Amino acid sequence: EAGVTQFPSHSVIEKGQTVTLRCDPISGHDNLYWYRRVMGKEIKFLLHFVKESKQDESGMPNNRFLAERTGGTYSTLKVQPAELEDSGVYFCASSQGAGSGTQYFGPGTRLLVL
Amino acid sequence: KNQVEQSPQSLIILEGKNCTLQCNYTVSPFSNLRWYKQDTGRGPVSLTIMTFSENTKSNGRYTATLDADTKQSSLHITASQLSDSASYICVAGSSNTGKLIFGQGTTLQVKP
Repeated sequence: EAGVTQFPSHSVIEKGQTVTLRCDPISGHDNLYWYRRVMGKEIKFLLHFVKESKQDESGMPNNRFLAERTGGTYSTLKVQPAELEDSGVYFCASSQGAGSGTQYFGPGTRLLVL
Repeated sequence: KNQVEQSPQSLIILEGKNCTLQCNYTVSPFSNLRWYKQDTGRGPVSLTIMTFSENTKSNGRYTATLDADTKQSSLHITASQLSDSASYICVAGSSNTGKLIFGQGTTLQVKP
């Protein structure tokens, strides 16, 4: 069974540009989560999808971030326009159930904004 | 404010030795406590998940404990191996939606 995959693995962009990150969850997992780790800090929750619906987006930093999950399969996270403080590692995770279910993490996308 | 604190920040032990990592959490509403292992350059991998009613959970050489009254958890690693070198992250689950609050992690280095 394939795990959670993320693309790209690395991205280097200039301030003001746009970047789109993609996450493919484990097949059949209705729950999809986005997290971010900025340098020197802990991993922080961004948002949670149940199928194609946003269940909780309380962790999204601001309106420069847009997450979608059309059709309830893969998800994209777009940052537009990117700022220096957006640099970090963006993780995606998926689970069958919410609550106490195991969340399986992808390898992350390392984003560097110059 | 929801937060998870871990100690020590880093730890070096010799191969074959045991070690215990500590975690204190302030999360409300609290649902569950997880420990993850994260190798460099990879995503976190789940080791254990305990609900508030569970006191201990084992996964091979890893044993986690939970005291929901004092809001403390520990992860004990027995007979350490070189492959145990990684960051160990304590994570508290809030409410029943799956939202997770992460600690900063303990970096463990196992030396031969």
